This record gives sequence, structure tokens and C-alpha cells, in this order.
Amino acid sequence: AQSVTQLDSQVPVFEEAPVELRCNYSSSVSVYLFWYVQYPNQGLQLLLKYLSGSTLVESINGFEAEFNKSQTSFHLRKPSVHISDTAEYFCAVKGGTSYGKLTFGQGTILTVHP
Amino acid sequence: SAVISQKPSRDICQRGTSLTIQCQVDSQVTMMFWYRQQPGQSLTLIATANQGSEATYESGFVIDKFPISRPNLTFSTLTVSNMSPEDSSIYLCSVDLGVGFTEAFFGQGTRLTVV
Repeated sequence: AQSVTQLDSQVPVFEEAPVELRCNYSSSVSVYLFWYVQYPNQGLQLLLKYLSGSTLVESINGFEAEFNKSQTSFHLRKPSVHISDTAEYFCAVKGGTSYGKLTFGQGTILTVHP
Repeated sequence: SAVISQKPSRDICQRGTSLTIQCQVDSQVTMMFWYRQQPGQSLTLIATANQGSEATYESGFVIDKFPISRPNLTFSTLTVSNMSPEDSSIYLCSVDLGVGFTEAFFGQGTRLTVV
């Protein structure tokens, strides 16, 4: 079984400041790791994913996440946030098979202030 | 990728009634999942729906309360039965496209309010 812990329920930041959203997981098997974003009143969208290979993965809108196996972490970072990044971010894991359910963290609400 | 349509997008229902949520996918998929997102909380898996077999429910969820149908490879329904205010949540349909795809795709969700 897998579990995911997002260490911060809410993160307020000012525009153009850097941000880190923390995620730790536990699993007895190899996993795939994901960050999903949920904008207000919308469904979930995949932000980025780690499958294997390079431990640093990037999204098209400037977010990046680093897989750290020894610390079982997959923290999400952005060097300079924008107002439009305000959303709820979910870290999720899936067992290392092609089919499988996702286990989600509790979510982190990122609020970017002008 | 996959395009997933959920209906209705939102509804307000009286306690004691039932609501059926539909999930339509634009391609054939083996596995479909139903999640619940209670206010201010994360997503919790209700059940996995495979075509041609009974749905598999997670701990804390039962078929009598959340019956699921999966008549073909592109469609599924979730019914929330005998609703109470505690059932007020967002219900999301998700699909796994299988080999060659690793991420799950989600519908826009159904926002249910029970009064």
C-alpha cells in the first residue's frame, strides 16, 4: 500500500517569489509520482510526473519537481510564481504497474498575492 | 490522452433521494475509477470499475450506497443512493489508458450538494 503526505495545507506567497510545495510518500514497491493541479471550480490536470530516469522533471509552465528516493520525497518548486498559479496542488503516487489506482496527498492550496 | 465528460456538472438534491452521475470517455478504456473529494479534503477512491465485472470497492464504501455500472468500454455511472448532507462532495471519474500511459485522466467532476 502507498501513502502520501503533503506537509503544508496552505502556502501563501507574493507574486514573483519562489515557492516549494512539499510531498513525502511511502511505498513498499516502486512507484510513479505525479503532481496534479486543480484550479477553482475545475477538474484535475496533470502538472508533471516522474516515471524513471532523471530525478528532475519539469512542466511547461515553469514548475519542476525532484524525486529523492532516499528521502522518499517529490517536492514541487517554482522559482517565480504568478497570480495565475493560485490553485490547489495534489501529490499522488501509483504502484509501478501500467494499471492502478492513485493515492493522493491532502492537497496544498497555493495562494499568490500581488 | 483522453477526453472525459461527466454529467451533471453540479446538482442540488434532497436528502433521501438518489443521483446518478454519468462518465463518458472518448476512447475505449479497461479501467475506470470513481473518486470523492469532500469539502476541503483530498481525493478518496470509491471504487474501480472494469467492464464485464463487478466494481471493486475501497474500504468504507459499499455497493448499496454507491452502485456502479460499466456497460461498455467507454461509459460508466455512479449512483449516490439515499443521500444525506454528508454526501455533499465533488465526485470525479478517472480513467487509466493502460500500457504506454502512466498518468490518470480526470473528468471535470460533479459537484453535489445535498440539502
